[in-house]
This record gives sequence, C-alpha cells and structure tokens, in this order.
Amino acid sequence: EPEVTQTPSHQVTQMGQEVILRCVPISNHLYFYWYRQILGQKVEFLVSFYNNEISEKSEIFDDQFSVERPDGSNFTLKIRSTKLEDSAMYFCASRYTSGINEQYFGPGTRLTVT
Amino acid sequence: DAKTTQPPSMDCAEGRAANLPCNHSTISGNEYVYWYRQIHSQGPQYIIHGLKNNETNEMASLIITEDRKSSTLILPHATLRDTAVYYCIVPLNAGNMLTFGGGTRLMVKP
Repeated sequence: EPEVTQTPSHQVTQMGQEVILRCVPISNHLYFYWYRQILGQKVEFLVSFYNNEISEKSEIFDDQFSVERPDGSNFTLKIRSTKLEDSAMYFCASRYTSGINEQYFGPGTRLTVT
Repeated sequence: DAKTTQPPSMDCAEGRAANLPCNHSTISGNEYVYWYRQIHSQGPQYIIHGLKNNETNEMASLIITEDRKSSTLILPHATLRDTAVYYCIVPLNAGNMLTFGGGTRLMVKP
C-alpha cells in the first residue's frame, strides 16, 4: 500500500540554524500539507500546497518557513533560522482529490532545537 | 470549520465495540464529518467520512443522526492496537486544512 515517507525521522539542530525536512507524498496525490505537533499539544496546520503554490497557510507559517516541491516526488519544509519553540513533530500529508478531504500522513520528523 | 465536541477520554474492553460520540451542532448541509486517529506519536490516520448516510469500511462504521448534529464512530471489535486519540473533524468544504481539536483518548483494556 502506498504511503507518505519523511526524512529524517529525527533532526537535532542548534538555534539559528536552517533545517530542511523532506517528504515524499503518495505518487498520484495532488495536494500536500505540513502540520506540526508540539509535545503534548494538538496537531496544528502549517501550510497547504497545490499546483506548485501555497493554497493556505496558518499564522504559524511566517517568513521563517518556506515550502517547495523541487521535483515530481519531493515536498520540503524549510525553516530558515530555527528557534527553541520550533521543536516539535512535523507531519507531512497528501491527498488526491479536491472534493474529499482524505489526507494521508507520514510518520513525522521530530525536530529538536537546542 | 464547524465546532465539534468530543468526550476527552473513554475506556473499552478488548473485543467489545467502542462507540465514540461527537457533537457538531453547527454543521451546515454540505459539510462532511471526518474521523481520524493518532496512535501515540505517529502521524494521524484517516478512518472514515460521511455526509448524511451511515458509512462502513474495513476499519469502522460511522453513524450520523438524521439532523446531522451528531455522529458516532463505531469500532466493532476493539483491539489493544486501537488505543489512540480519535478526532472528529468537520472541515470547511472550501478549506483545505484539517483542524484537530482535543479528540477522545480511547484506551482499550485487556
């Protein structure tokens, strides 16, 4: 069964450093998402991406964040200058159709900012 | 998104049916109800969705009341691996994002 994959599973970085989190969505999916979950808190939406552009973003997704689909398979989230409060689990998700909001999530990348 | 209300936690005996309720009294006529779950620290997992008719798939059944103001997710024979947080979500049709509330923490006990 096709699945969303994410790399790395755990990333440790120092405050102020740039990180890139990588995702490979399911191959025929058209809509792509990033969510995050701070330890013990709710899953929060960050950004959605369709047709090579951002379609929605939350207040969390400020100028420090960017997304890219550099080729036909990868979908990346970049944090330019990490802060301690960026420490969280980051989940990538994808879905196929526009009508039904059936999203498939990856296993997540745990980002630890020290 | 229409607001949803779920009990914070529930217990269920292994092998018995788990019935998880959700209130969504402000739902509008064309909004779907979605259920997802999150097993500890894993990515959320889609379970099922419905509009007005009851739905069943290999994972669960979804019962939606006639007035659509509430729904119940049924896991017919809960196993220990069904222990998770279950989220009832009513996203805007025009929207893209899923808004996760607190959900119901289901504990399946032997």
